[in-house]
Amino acid sequence: GDSVTQMEGPVTLSEEAFLTINCTYTATGYPSLFWYVQYPGEGLQLLLKATKADDKGSNKGFEATYRKETTSFHLEKGSVQVSDSAVYFCALSEGKGGSEKLVFGKGTKLTVNP
Amino acid sequence: DTAVSQTPKYLVTQMGNDKSIKCEQNLGHDTMYWYKQDSKKFLKIMFSYNNKELIINETVPNRFSPKSPDKAHLNLHINSLELGDSAVYFCASSQVAEQFFGPGTRLTVL
Repeated sequence: GDSVTQMEGPVTLSEEAFLTINCTYTATGYPSLFWYVQYPGEGLQLLLKATKADDKGSNKGFEATYRKETTSFHLEKGSVQVSDSAVYFCALSEGKGGSEKLVFGKGTKLTVNP
Repeated sequence: DTAVSQTPKYLVTQMGNDKSIKCEQNLGHDTMYWYKQDSKKFLKIMFSYNNKELIINETVPNRFSPKSPDKAHLNLHINSLELGDSAVYFCASSQVAEQFFGPGTRLTVL
């Protein structure tokens, strides 16, 4: 089946540092790709998505580009804040027409220090 | 208004007990899901329902039985709870690929 591999954490950065969290996927087709964020003690929130090759998803200063040639969807932010501390999950959508499911990477915990 | 809600938020119980977790969504979505997040934060799908019909059952033990009384609700009943069932259970709903998650239910089996 399809799978997602993302960089192991934890990642610790200082405020205003540049963030990259790598994510690569294996899929038989061309899935939609997502980044979800989980703040401490909360559920998952969709951060951004891309539905086809070369699409760039962006939200709250975060960006990720769907790269078919490298099967990657790396998450980047130019200047992180303390409030960005959370666990980040890369995911792909497998299946169609009511039978979709999300396949998640193992999550990367980000801690941003002031 | 909360889009996807779950009750209870925390559930602590003894091994061998039976418990239920409820989920409701007010987004008008056709598809609902249960995911399990283990102690290492790994998320895996358990079930999905589309218009009250079971679509995905990811080799979950028979002790877990989802029930969807209508399109807006998907409940999870767990029989004979085991220590390994301790996890956070997330409900989600979707209309197309994007899924919206509830706040989670932290189940602790003692």
